Amino acid sequence: GQNIDQPTEMTATEGAIVQINCTYQTSGFNGLFWYQQHAGEAPTFLSYNVLDGLEEKGRFSSFLSRSKGYSYLLLKELQMKDSASYLCAVRDSNYQLIWGAGTKLIIKP
Amino acid sequence: DVKVTQSSRYLVKRTGEKVFLECVQDMDHENMFWYRQDPGLGLRLIYFSYDVKMKEKGDIPEGYSVSREKKERFSLILESASTNQTSMYLCASSTGGASGANVLTFGAGSRLTVL
Repeated sequence: GQNIDQPTEMTATEGAIVQINCTYQTSGFNGLFWYQQHAGEAPTFLSYNVLDGLEEKGRFSSFLSRSKGYSYLLLKELQMKDSASYLCAVRDSNYQLIWGAGTKLIIKP
Repeated sequence: DVKVTQSSRYLVKRTGEKVFLECVQDMDHENMFWYRQDPGLGLRLIYFSYDVKMKEKGDIPEGYSVSREKKERFSLILESASTNQTSMYLCASSTGGASGANVLTFGAGSRLTVL
């Protein structure tokens, strides 16, 4: 079966760095996505990786290793507004998205 | 600046009632999707559509149907609501084609409670 694993919850301190991991086993691979979802709001797109390596976008970076079935989202200089759930999703060989259950990130002052 | 609009933010219905969830997007996207989101689970795809009057079953279509009469509108219908359909329903849209990211734009969600 297809599976996406990510930690259920993480806690970090304002101003620090946090890495949210995502591992996947899917039928084929056509890209990996990270979305951010604040409580009670719609998920919003953060990043897309289809080739191995690191994609940097401001305070957020996303890394992909296709051979290891592994990605991480790196958040630097954490701010209170980064408190949210972070959803990892992989697009499989049928171009369907398989979603992880999300990681709830709690930022403490 | 709202791009995907879901008609109802909160609904409370009784078992057996027919429920309509409406979704409208203003980005001229070809693809539209209905997901449900439950605690501890990833988003699960109910139905999707790549074109007007076209629909495809997702992973959990049982108990649901959809309608796409116009490009901008995708409706989710629960013919006879049941308590296990209590959930958050998310509509999304994206550009068409198999190449590129085809990033999803989501609506704010419709939280349905079935009593």
